Amino acid sequence: AQSVTQLDSQVPVFEEAPVELRCNYSSSVSVYLFWYVQYPNQGLQLLLKYLSGSTLVKGINGFEAEFNKSQTSFHLRKPSVHISDTAEYFCAVSSSNRDDKIIFGKGTRLHILP
Amino acid sequence: DAGVTQSPTHLIKTRGQQVTLRCSPISGHKSVSWYQQVLGQGPQFIFQYYEKEERGRGNFPDRFSARQFPNYSSELNVNALLLGDSALYLCASSEGTVLTDTQYFGPGTRLTVL
Repeated sequence: AQSVTQLDSQVPVFEEAPVELRCNYSSSVSVYLFWYVQYPNQGLQLLLKYLSGSTLVKGINGFEAEFNKSQTSFHLRKPSVHISDTAEYFCAVSSSNRDDKIIFGKGTRLHILP
Repeated sequence: DAGVTQSPTHLIKTRGQQVTLRCSPISGHKSVSWYQQVLGQGPQFIFQYYEKEERGRGNFPDRFSARQFPNYSSELNVNALLLGDSALYLCASSEGTVLTDTQYFGPGTRLTVL
């Protein structure tokens, strides 16, 4: 069975500073990895996903993530954050073994400080 | 194009009652998934339906059931409501299976059980 751990429940960052949101996963088989964002009072929106190929994945709104198989990590990064990036970010994992379940982490709340 | 729609937006029920939540997927999408998001947690997978057949089921009791109609809309039913069922219920649609296709989430139905 898969599991995913988001190491930080909250991350405060000054506007225009870089940010990294950490995500580690565990699985006995190959995985697909996702980052979703949930803006206040809105549904989840896919930021990016890793299915195969290049380990550096670029997503929307200037976000990117790197798949590191040896460290079982899929950290999300942005070089310069804006106030509009204030939201909850969820890392998720799914097995590539025709298991259609997606397992979400508990989320990391990103606070942008002026 | 309209996104995923869910109804109602808010619902208040008492313990022991039954509730039905509704979801309309994006036009052309054949897969619908249901998630439960308890306050402060990530979404938990409940069901996935593809082409009107159940493709996946999460670790939820039999009080939870769902179905998908010929027009691909879906209903989630919860019987004998408990206080712990209070949560945001999210519906997501995709063109095909979850693994390779992007899921689009609706805004959710906020269920409060008193």
